[in-house]
Amino acid sequence: RKEVEQDPGPFNVPEGATVAFNCTYSNSASQSFFWYRQDCRKEPKLLMSVYSSGNEDGRFTAQLNRASQYISLLIRDSKLSDSATYLCVVPRNTGFQKLVFGTGTRLLVSP
Amino acid sequence: GAGVSQSPSNKVTEKGKDVELRCDPISGHTALYWYRQSLGQGLEFLIYFQGNSAPDKSGLPSDRFSAERTGGSVSTLTIQRTQQEDSAVYLCASSLELVTLDEQYFGPGTRLTVT
Repeated sequence: RKEVEQDPGPFNVPEGATVAFNCTYSNSASQSFFWYRQDCRKEPKLLMSVYSSGNEDGRFTAQLNRASQYISLLIRDSKLSDSATYLCVVPRNTGFQKLVFGTGTRLLVSP
Repeated sequence: GAGVSQSPSNKVTEKGKDVELRCDPISGHTALYWYRQSLGQGLEFLIYFQGNSAPDKSGLPSDRFSAERTGGSVSTLTIQRTQQEDSAVYLCASSLELVTLDEQYFGPGTRLTVT
């Protein structure tokens, strides 16, 4: 199993739709997780941190399922500006904050 | 305030030449990280610095890659005798501390093309 695995997509959704992505991870000892957003040819930027069971920020909800070792990102009422690649990030437990990035899930929101 | 800056933004070089990539982290950030991202691939961790020290160099792809950081600030990533497979976007990130799980702030990257 890869350390961090994501469906590459693309997920094509209309404006206003609700869309969810999953990310699976292999290290059962991981305690915290991140979702980063990366626009085309831009650098990644932190979207959300997930430290316990989940986190909600406006239209975005991240949930953690430790038993099944996956985290999800739910986007409600999709906007055109949500079109981007969403990177699932898991710290590798090596004693420092080495982040392992998934290859990302591409979202395309259309009018 | 100023974010992480990297230079050059684009670099085209011939196979076999050496290149030097520069990263200027956010002022006051003690931790600095180098990653590379190849087309369609995830970010690959290369090396991190806590202050000027890089305790773990195992992420560097080969001995042609080296990195240093001086004055706890600017870092340079050097690739000697570049190969075509070195073509990628090299991203630098910094965070406030290494020991806590702080957000990493990324620079815009250097797009390296080896011809």
